[in-house]
Amino acid sequence: GENVEQHPSTLSVQEGDSAVIKCTYSDSASNYFPWYKQELGKGPQLIIDIRSNVGEKKDQRIAVTLNKTAKHFSLHITETQPEDSAVYFCASGGGADGLTFGKGTHLIIQP
Amino acid sequence: DGGITQSPKYLFRKEGQNVTLSCEQNLNHDAMYWYRQDPGQGLRLIYYSQIVNDFQKGDIAEGYSVSREKKESFPLTVTSAQKNPTAFYLCASSTHPAMNTEAFFGQGTRLTVV
Repeated sequence: GENVEQHPSTLSVQEGDSAVIKCTYSDSASNYFPWYKQELGKGPQLIIDIRSNVGEKKDQRIAVTLNKTAKHFSLHITETQPEDSAVYFCASGGGADGLTFGKGTHLIIQP
Repeated sequence: DGGITQSPKYLFRKEGQNVTLSCEQNLNHDAMYWYRQDPGQGLRLIYYSQIVNDFQKGDIAEGYSVSREKKESFPLTVTSAQKNPTAFYLCASSTHPAMNTEAFFGQGTRLTVV
């Protein structure tokens, strides 16, 4: 089955700096790659997603890049703010059996 | 307001008891999913359902059961056969059975065995 590796597990950055989280996947048939943000005690919320026919997607301060040949994709957050502090999950899938998630990155924004 | 609702938010279970977690959605989504979240483990798929009266086992189905009698509802029963049930349980739904569109998650149920 699909395997998703996510790094780093914890990331601390100064407010205003950029943060980058990286994921790799194993199943070349995967065609959908969402990123979720989870705040403490809540369910994950989708922040951005990308499909395999696109190499990059941007939404304001958030961007995702996808390299299908290398089977890796990354989340980029620019001009980080305190409200960006949360746990971020990458996922891979596109089939009927749901998504396979990475183990999460705890992003800490230092004031 | 459209959304996906899980209840209760907190649940305590004695060893040997079965408990049922509720998940209801009014988004008219065909597909529904149950995930288990443990610290440092990400989300792992327990069961999923693409259509009413049909469901499939996920990666960690042992000790769990589900039903899908109505499109809106996908309850999860944690049975006494589940050896380590203490966890955060998340229900999700998506428009299309192939989960390549946005999945909406509920707020979760935290189950603790006492």
